[in-house]
Amino acid sequence: DVKVTQSSRYLVKRTGEKVFLECVQDMDHENMFWYRQDPGLGLRLIYFSYDVKMKEKGDIPEGYSVSREKKERFSLILESASTNQTSMYLCASSLSPREAGDHTGELFFGEGSRLTVL
Amino acid sequence: LAKTTQPISMDSYEGQEVNITCSHNNIATNDYITWYQQFPSQGPRFIIQGYKTKVTNEVASLFIPADRKSSTLSLPRVSLSDTAVYYCLVGPFYNQGGKLIFGQGTELSVKP
Repeated sequence: DVKVTQSSRYLVKRTGEKVFLECVQDMDHENMFWYRQDPGLGLRLIYFSYDVKMKEKGDIPEGYSVSREKKERFSLILESASTNQTSMYLCASSLSPREAGDHTGELFFGEGSRLTVL
Repeated sequence: LAKTTQPISMDSYEGQEVNITCSHNNIATNDYITWYQQFPSQGPRFIIQGYKTKVTNEVASLFIPADRKSSTLSLPRVSLSDTAVYYCLVGPFYNQGGKLIFGQGTELSVKP
């Protein structure tokens, strides 16, 4: 089975701190995504990457950056955490069309990282 | 991007069949319909994906009429463990460009 592992399930940080959220997938997927989930707003895409060292902005990239130095790892960085970034953060991976063959186009999610910024 | 509309919540009892309908009036020709399930404090999990007519797997069935403007997820004989939020998504097959949009989903509550 595909496994997407997020480094921390729960984090508490202070306003202004730099925060790193790490995500590792073990299925050699090309595509990786970072979402945040808030009550009443569903999941919103922050950034995604379709290859090593490649990144694209999603719908709400402000206040975030990402890093993808290796294919299996996609990191989300909050340069200076703010209280409005308190949220559940979800990482996902998927095959690209080039890789997929007969597989479905499904997203594989990690268990999430709940971040509280005080 | 195709927007989806689905009920905010539904209630059911164990052993019943549950049908959750999703409207997607402006679905594009190359869009697929995908459903995900999410339990509390977990990430969403893929359930089923289809393009037209009917798709069935070990978990659910997906019914898509000819005009593809709506779809229905059918869960046979639900149990308490099916209590979750169900998301209907419309978009490219592999989420290229991150085009899949997760709305608020349907919160299904299964009662004994």
